[in-house]
Amino acid sequence: AQTVTQSQPEMSVQEAETVTLSCTYDTSESDYYLFWYKQPPSRQMILVIRQEAYKQQNATENRFSVNFQKAAKSFSLKISDSQLGDAAMYFCAEYNNNDMRFGAGTRLTVKP
Amino acid sequence: NAGVTQTPKFQVLKTGQSMTLQCAQDMNHEYMSWYRQDPGMGLRLIHYSVGAGITDQGEVPNGYNVSRSTTEDFPLRLLSAAPSQTSVYFCATTLGTGVMAGELFFGEGSRLTVL
Repeated sequence: AQTVTQSQPEMSVQEAETVTLSCTYDTSESDYYLFWYKQPPSRQMILVIRQEAYKQQNATENRFSVNFQKAAKSFSLKISDSQLGDAAMYFCAEYNNNDMRFGAGTRLTVKP
Repeated sequence: NAGVTQTPKFQVLKTGQSMTLQCAQDMNHEYMSWYRQDPGMGLRLIHYSVGAGITDQGEVPNGYNVSRSTTEDFPLRLLSAAPSQTSVYFCATTLGTGVMAGELFFGEGSRLTVL
């Protein structure tokens, strides 16, 4: 079974600055998908960005982008121009064969 | 369009009691799943279903039962609750195939406390 590791339990960023959240995964599958989910205090899980493993180009969604290093099995999330509303728990996840595995999460604090 | 609806949102049980967490979706998704979220451990897959009449175990299935008699509903049953099952439970669905594979749509979560 695959495992997903987020090595940063907590991160902090100043408003308007850039922060990178780290994620590594371990899978033997060749076809898989990677995701970053955001969980604000409301508890609702919100999809931030997704990456198909077969695509070499890094995914981008507005201020959110990823650095996907397939050989290193690394999938980091970069948040540019951080906003107060970005404060939340962020979960990295890997999906293949009907099985989604999540990392333990990184709590992001945004300082005004 | 309600999406994924979980009930109840909060529940307190005594050890040994049974209960069912309900999950209903109106997106016609074939894939439905249950996760539990514990501090420091992220979300862990309990059971999932790829269609009516089909269920399978996830990472942490012990102590939980599921069934899938319709596309819309996927209840999670605790037959004899234990304090270790105190957690927040999420139901999630996905179209499950092609470009939508793995993109989960979550319910709002159900906080369960077992005393």
